[in-house]
Amino acid sequence: ETGVTQTPRHLVMGMTNKKSLKCEQHLGHNAMYWYKQSAKKPLELMFVYNFKEQTENNSVPSRFSPECPNSSHLFLHLHTLQPEDSALYLCASSQGTGVHEQYFGPGTRLTVT
Amino acid sequence: SQQGEEDPQALSIQEGENATMNCSYKTSINNLQWYRQNSGRGLVHLILIRSNEREKHSGRLRVTLDTSKKSSSLLITASRAADTASYFCATDWRGSQGNLIFGKGTKLSVKP
Repeated sequence: ETGVTQTPRHLVMGMTNKKSLKCEQHLGHNAMYWYKQSAKKPLELMFVYNFKEQTENNSVPSRFSPECPNSSHLFLHLHTLQPEDSALYLCASSQGTGVHEQYFGPGTRLTVT
Repeated sequence: SQQGEEDPQALSIQEGENATMNCSYKTSINNLQWYRQNSGRGLVHLILIRSNEREKHSGRLRVTLDTSKKSSSLLITASRAADTASYFCATDWRGSQGNLIFGKGTKLSVKP
């Protein structure tokens, strides 16, 4: 276990549904990240939070809405997704931004039908 | 794009053999990291090498960095079936504020 948990591990949702992914880190880190991993594509950085403040939005469509209520928790709210949004969504944390290793959660496998 | 490119895309070896994976990138970096991912799971950090370092070891892992060629290699010695996974390099390029750019990975299969 890396100290980063994600729930749910699997999610199937229709295009009109609203759902949320949750990430929690027990490492005392200050930075948290959302990544998207699709088949045959590199891992894509979506959002970065540092000390609860969003520092990076990598041109992510507004149907993905992140929330970081504190340094230990990160959410990704999903609404009106498209089938091409089906992917593995990975959360990570690090001590800070900059030269630090990142610790990843196990991911949420999302399927949009 | 800045992303690292791993080579080869797939590698199949016998247990006990060494595995070498390469990574190339395009612009100046602060550091380069290697991660491992077992099928459908999260990534696990293996090793970080800073731009002023040339070689680093961790157990059976050896990483080299050649900033003049903008390339890095990961060597796994005496491989085991449990090393079967995908391996990714990630660069923290200058100007990225610490954000990592990942390559597509090398899929390593170690046959017992």
